[in-house]
Amino acid sequence: IAGITQAPTSQILAAGRRMTLRCTQDMRHNAMYWYRQDLGLGLRLIHYSNTAGTTGKGEVPDGYSVSRANTDDFPLTLASAVPSQTSVYFCASSEVSAGELFFGEGSRLTVL
Amino acid sequence: QQQVKQSPQSLIVQKGGISIINCAYENTAFDYFPWYQQFPGKGPALLIAIRPDVSEKKEGRFTISFNKSAKQFSLHIMDSQPGDSATYFCAARVRNDMRFGAGTRLTVKP
Repeated sequence: IAGITQAPTSQILAAGRRMTLRCTQDMRHNAMYWYRQDLGLGLRLIHYSNTAGTTGKGEVPDGYSVSRANTDDFPLTLASAVPSQTSVYFCASSEVSAGELFFGEGSRLTVL
Repeated sequence: QQQVKQSPQSLIVQKGGISIINCAYENTAFDYFPWYQQFPGKGPALLIAIRPDVSEKKEGRFTISFNKSAKQFSLHIMDSQPGDSATYFCAARVRNDMRFGAGTRLTVKP
């Protein structure tokens, strides 16, 4: 089934370590997004990309970076993880002008 | 500061009953209002959506009611079923910025 693939599914990480969450889509959507989901806060946008080669900051970008070298891949990097980055991370995609977001199944990250 | 406020946090409904979840927003530039459904261990999936020029949209047992002047919208689930038990998120979008409510955990008892 076409869609979004995220990896890893879950990860435990020591504080201060570098971590990259991978996201690949096969729907040829122009726009991609990274959200974090925390209980009581819903989903909050970290970074987005409207098209390959461009990225933008969302609501909570600090401590995270992204790149968009091609249409299909949109990795999220934590340069030096901190415990407050413990969360479930969702990658999503959409047509630029359409509203529907298609989400992956999430990556659960625990920073100790 | 959350731009989309959702209530209640949790809801328990008997099978066959009506589930109602409410959301309020602040930014009048929002132009698209979706509801997402999320099952445990899965990503959210679009359930139903509405644009601000329409006051109501119905798809099967699911209805969105939209009140532009009050800046509020709600999801009604008619004839609620145990399979509807999930977490529901309202959202509002302007350009590529989709803001989500905090979520409502719905439990439908058989």
